[in-house]
Amino acid sequence: DSGVTQTPKHLITATGQRVTLRCSPRSGDLSVYWYQQSLDQGLQFLIQYYNGEERAKGNILERFSAQQFPDLHSELNLSSLELGDSALYFCASSVGGYSSYEQYFGPGTRLTVT
Amino acid sequence: AQSVTQLDSHVSVSEGTPVLLRCNYSSSYSPSLFWYVQHPNKGLQLLLKYTSAATLVKGINGFEAEFKKSETSFHLTKPSAHMSDAAEYFCVVSVGGSNTGKLIFGQGTTLQVKP
Repeated sequence: DSGVTQTPKHLITATGQRVTLRCSPRSGDLSVYWYQQSLDQGLQFLIQYYNGEERAKGNILERFSAQQFPDLHSELNLSSLELGDSALYFCASSVGGYSSYEQYFGPGTRLTVT
Repeated sequence: AQSVTQLDSHVSVSEGTPVLLRCNYSSSYSPSLFWYVQHPNKGLQLLLKYTSAATLVKGINGFEAEFKKSETSFHLTKPSAHMSDAAEYFCVVSVGGSNTGKLIFGQGTTLQVKP
């Protein structure tokens, strides 16, 4: 158990809908990351927050947004969902905001868009 | 730009034999390099990391990797495979020259361990 929790574990929704994925980092970690894992794209970095502020952005679609709250938990919002958004979404956390810090991954949220 | 290439999508070994998972990287900066493992239906776990200290890095569960700058390689090895090593392995490079935690993942290598 990495100490990073993600809810829900599974999510099934229809195209055009909006969902929110939630992540609680390990105690003491200030940085949160979101990743998308799909069969065709592999594991891709989406976005990083550090102590409530956006630190880095990857290949995140405009339909997707995220935020980190004062208690350091984070939410990833996916809207106008398409079939291609079906994937496993991972959250990770680390103490610091640099890549040299180990990132601890949550168990993921599996999103299925029908 | 940084990139990472895992040279084998699938590796099959017998239990008790050595494991070699190959990874080449491209980076304009001195990179941080990592190997992560993903067991079926689980999250990712860090095996080991290289951050410009010793070039031979020892990780968990008997794995190690050697950073070779001249060959731009960071291959993962283990002297003797165990059935529990069967999993997906990812070679990962940091986006150097920035103050972020952004990582770039390779496409993954599936390790099969036969009894």
